[in-house]
Amino acid sequence: NAGVTQTPKFQVLKTGQSMTLQCAQDMNHNSMYWYRQDPGMGLRLIYYSASEGTTDKGEVPNGYNVSRLNKREFSLRLESAAPSQTSVYFCASSGGSGSGRSSEQFFGPGTRLTVL
Amino acid sequence: AQSVTQPDIHITVSEGASLELRCNYSYGATPYLFWYVQSPGQGLQLLLKYFSGDTLVQGIKGFEAEFKRSQSSFNLRKPSVHWSDAAEYFCAVVLWEYGNKLVFGAGTILRVKS
Repeated sequence: NAGVTQTPKFQVLKTGQSMTLQCAQDMNHNSMYWYRQDPGMGLRLIYYSASEGTTDKGEVPNGYNVSRLNKREFSLRLESAAPSQTSVYFCASSGGSGSGRSSEQFFGPGTRLTVL
Repeated sequence: AQSVTQPDIHITVSEGASLELRCNYSYGATPYLFWYVQSPGQGLQLLLKYFSGDTLVQGIKGFEAEFKRSQSSFNLRKPSVHWSDAAEYFCAVVLWEYGNKLVFGAGTILRVKS
């Protein structure tokens, strides 16, 4: 069991370039999430997918799009990168049924993105 | 709005000393609460969680946390800190009615003096 995997681990972009961050989980979880982490701000939710076929905005969705490709995969796209999007991005997944144990989220190792 | 507050941005303790990291939440319903730890350059690892029942919960690495509804708090404790505990600690509350969305505190950076 790999858990939650993310690619790439590191990326440097120029302003205006686009890229897609990939995330996959092998725990048969219903819900998946994308967060960004910035110093002193904890983790902030960008988008989430409560179940396959659905996506919803989180706290900071502007400048991002997501795709829940199937139950395993949830990608995050930056269409036109900006320096303000320099951050560490984490993907997470959870069982998602609303009960206590299934609400625990499991995190990937993160992608460190720098936009010049 | 639902929120999580970690009042201490940085804490420094001596190795072997006790530790308490504070967490307060604002959430109307019964909360599901978590503490995560993040070592430098790493992802987040779950330390412990509270869903219901006994208000004192035990976690990994010798950590424990106590849920106090009257104070809206979920403080993390360890009786004797080790140098390897130096990391950033995040408290979080889950909003299960919003797809199990997690709301995180801003984090507390723990430094351990030898």
